[in-house]
Amino acid sequence: QKEVEQDPGPLSVPEGAIVSLNCTYSNSAFQYFMWYRQYSRKGPELLMYTYSSGNKEDGRFTAQVDKSSKYISLFIRDSQPSDSATYLCAMSLIKAAGNKLTFGGGTRVLVKP
Amino acid sequence: GAVVSQHPSWVICKSGTSVKIECRSLDFQATTMFWYRQFPKQSLMLMATSNEGSKATYEQGVEKDKFLINHASLTLSTLTVTSAHPEDSSFYICSAPRGTGRFNEQFFGPGTRLTVL
Repeated sequence: QKEVEQDPGPLSVPEGAIVSLNCTYSNSAFQYFMWYRQYSRKGPELLMYTYSSGNKEDGRFTAQVDKSSKYISLFIRDSQPSDSATYLCAMSLIKAAGNKLTFGGGTRVLVKP
Repeated sequence: GAVVSQHPSWVICKSGTSVKIECRSLDFQATTMFWYRQFPKQSLMLMATSNEGSKATYEQGVEKDKFLINHASLTLSTLTVTSAHPEDSSFYICSAPRGTGRFNEQFFGPGTRLTVL
């Protein structure tokens, strides 16, 4: 079993719809939870990070963490074709040496105009 | 945000040759950098942690003699794929953490696509 599980998709939605992404994990020691966006043949870029449980909102993006269920989510409202990318969840331990990240497998998202 | 560059962006080499990939933090210093490889439609797999002034730390299953890492300065880490073979063809990405407090955001380079013929 992988430490972080993520549905690979692809997830296809019409423009303007809400995109719902999620990851589950097995290591209860994870404290920081991140979502990265990666365009084809590019490096990942950080969208949001959350410390411990709770919700965080930034513009059209909302991140949720439920540590009791070991489940995290990312919601994208009013999706745009430019949101088409692979979304990777990542997690790290609170005092991991050098902040090592453990990534999910990534979900490909396609927003159709 | 901070900028991390990689060079080259793509490289094609013959089997048996060695290839060096550079990772630079352009506007900040990084005592630690990370090297990942990514196969098509798969996630990033951490290969090793590059430490300035000391030896790199390799993840389980990664051959340290095959993937040589040198953290030459606070802004430069290099990954050398020695005696490359077709199975080494992949997308190699580096990252460097930057920040204060408990959360250090990792900034990723644009990646290097290696094709071994």
